[in-house]
Amino acid sequence: EPEVTQTPSHQVTQMGQEVILRCVPISNHLYFYWYRQILGQKVEFLVSFYNNEISEKSEIFDDQFSVERPDGSNFTLKIRSTKLEDSAMYFCASRFGQNLPYEQYFGPGTRLTVT
Amino acid sequence: AQSVTQLGSHVSVSEGALVLLRCNYSSSVPPYLFWYVQYPNQGLQLLLKYTSAATLVKGINGFEAEFKKSETSFHLTKPSAHMSDAAEYFCAVSDQGNNDMRFGAGTRLTVKP
Repeated sequence: EPEVTQTPSHQVTQMGQEVILRCVPISNHLYFYWYRQILGQKVEFLVSFYNNEISEKSEIFDDQFSVERPDGSNFTLKIRSTKLEDSAMYFCASRFGQNLPYEQYFGPGTRLTVT
Repeated sequence: AQSVTQLGSHVSVSEGALVLLRCNYSSSVPPYLFWYVQYPNQGLQLLLKYTSAATLVKGINGFEAEFKKSETSFHLTKPSAHMSDAAEYFCAVSDQGNNDMRFGAGTRLTVKP
């Protein structure tokens, strides 16, 4: 069964460094998402991406964040200058299109630790 | 704006007992509602979804949920809890445009032997 994959599973970085989190969505899906989950808290929407552009973003997704679909298969989240509070689990998700079913398929997540 | 509220951050039941996890939604348009489960150190797995076809929705692992518009609720139930049901459960809502999904705070289910 097709699945969303994410790499790395765990990333440790120093404050102020740039990180890129990578996702490979399900191949025929058209909508892509990033969410984050700070330890012990709820899953929070960051950004959605469709047709090579951001379609919606939350207030969390500020100028230090960016997303890209560089090659038609990968979907990346870049954090330019990491802060301690960026430590979280980051989930990528994808879904097929406008028609049912609407559910998003989630990857296993990347745990980001900023020291 | 859409949102969901999960009542009870932690629910504990005995093995074989009824599981009831509560979710209330707020949406200005007809919502699509989802329950996801998260096992320790894993991602989110879809349990079931409501997309207006039927108000009683059956999902995987014996779970089901009923959409009640009058109560703006989408509670998750399972008649008989199993030890393997211990996990974090998230209710989520999206609108028909579905550009994002808004999650509740989650309910941690503990199953006692």
